[in-house]
Formats: sequence, C-alpha cells, structure tokens
Amino acid sequence: KAGVTQTPRYLIKTRGQQVTLSCSPISGHRSVSWYQQTPGQGLQFLFEYFSETQRNKGNFPGRFSGRQFSNSRSEMNVSTLELGDSALYLCASSLFDRDTEAFFGQGTRLTVV
Amino acid sequence: AQRVTQPEKLLSVFKGAPVELKCNYSYSGSPELFWYVQYSRQRLQLLLRHISRESIKGFTADLNKGETSFHLKKPFAQEEDSAMYYCALIDKNRDDKIIFGKGTRLHILP
Repeated sequence: KAGVTQTPRYLIKTRGQQVTLSCSPISGHRSVSWYQQTPGQGLQFLFEYFSETQRNKGNFPGRFSGRQFSNSRSEMNVSTLELGDSALYLCASSLFDRDTEAFFGQGTRLTVV
Repeated sequence: AQRVTQPEKLLSVFKGAPVELKCNYSYSGSPELFWYVQYSRQRLQLLLRHISRESIKGFTADLNKGETSFHLKKPFAQEEDSAMYYCALIDKNRDDKIIFGKGTRLHILP
C-alpha cells in the first residue's frame, strides 16, 4: 500500500510569508503527527491529530498550526515565517490513537530566506 | 521531565568493528522505547522497539531500567549501516506523544 505522502517536497519562502504543508497518511490510518527536524535540535514534535481533533501539541509558538480533514489528510500552516523555521518537516501516520508504530513521510524541506 | 539523550552527535566506526549507539532516557513509569533510522535520502523508518526484543539488520537494543539506557548495538558494522539513528520514547502519560533524542550520525569507515 502507498506510504505517507508529503507535498511539496521542497519550498522556498521569504520572511513574513506564510506556508501550508500537506500530508496524506497511509490509507486507513487516523492519527497524523508533525515533526520539525533541524541539524541543531534534531527531531521535535509539533502536534498530533486524530479524527480531526488535535490530541497533543509540542512547544512551538502559535504561528504553527494544523488541521486534519475527514479523510485523515492533514495540513500544517506556519504564519509570519522566520529564518529559524527553515527545516525538514516530517509527517507520520499511525493506525489508531494508541498505536505506537508511526510511519514517516519523506518530508518537506522548507527554506526561509 | 521526560527526556531522551543521545550523547554522541557523530560516531565513526570501522567496517567489521562493533557498534554501540548510546541512548539514555528520563521517564517516570515504564517506558516504551524505539530506535528509528534514516538512511541518506530516504525516509525515517522504525528500526526496532524494545517490547518486541527482536534483532533487525543485526542490531539489538536492551532496555536497562537501572541505568535508564537503551543502547543500540551491532557486533560487526557494515558500510550500509551508515545513517542517522534516533532513539525515541513513547510518553504513555501524554497520549503516546513521541519524544526523540537529537540523533547520532553513524559513519562506517571502509
């Protein structure tokens, strides 16, 4: 079956702009989590959605937001972009809310200039 | 606070030598721990989890509650093991939120 799909793969934005990233989970998976990966901080948890509801949120400012649609597809939005937001953003999907195996997408590489 | 620590950012090991990637954790309760691997230009993927006590690609990891460690080991390194390795913990007290270590880049020398 198809894996987790993230679009776009690469994105370049300027400071102050906003960006929306998309994640299509594995078919049948209901939980989608977002992570930020940077060389300095490694992988950091952003938030998790399950059945269109945000279940958990990491320690990121309110500029980072997300949502999940009824088909489990998820979007992540970052407003008022800062240079420090440049990172690889990873999406992971899991079958159920307490399933512990997460399958990751290839990520969206965001560069803020 | 729950935390996962990988003390080495980079580990270089000769092919055929033993490998040990360190992971220490801080968690109140019984932790559920994992190792994830990311090969060059590939997506992050689960390598192994402590509850299954399995060996994947020759790697094993034993949970040591006394030392709060979950080190990843392989007796003989292979060149294809070069990758980024992340230790992760499931926080069962917070709806299964995953906490990652900062990762260790393993470089296998020929």
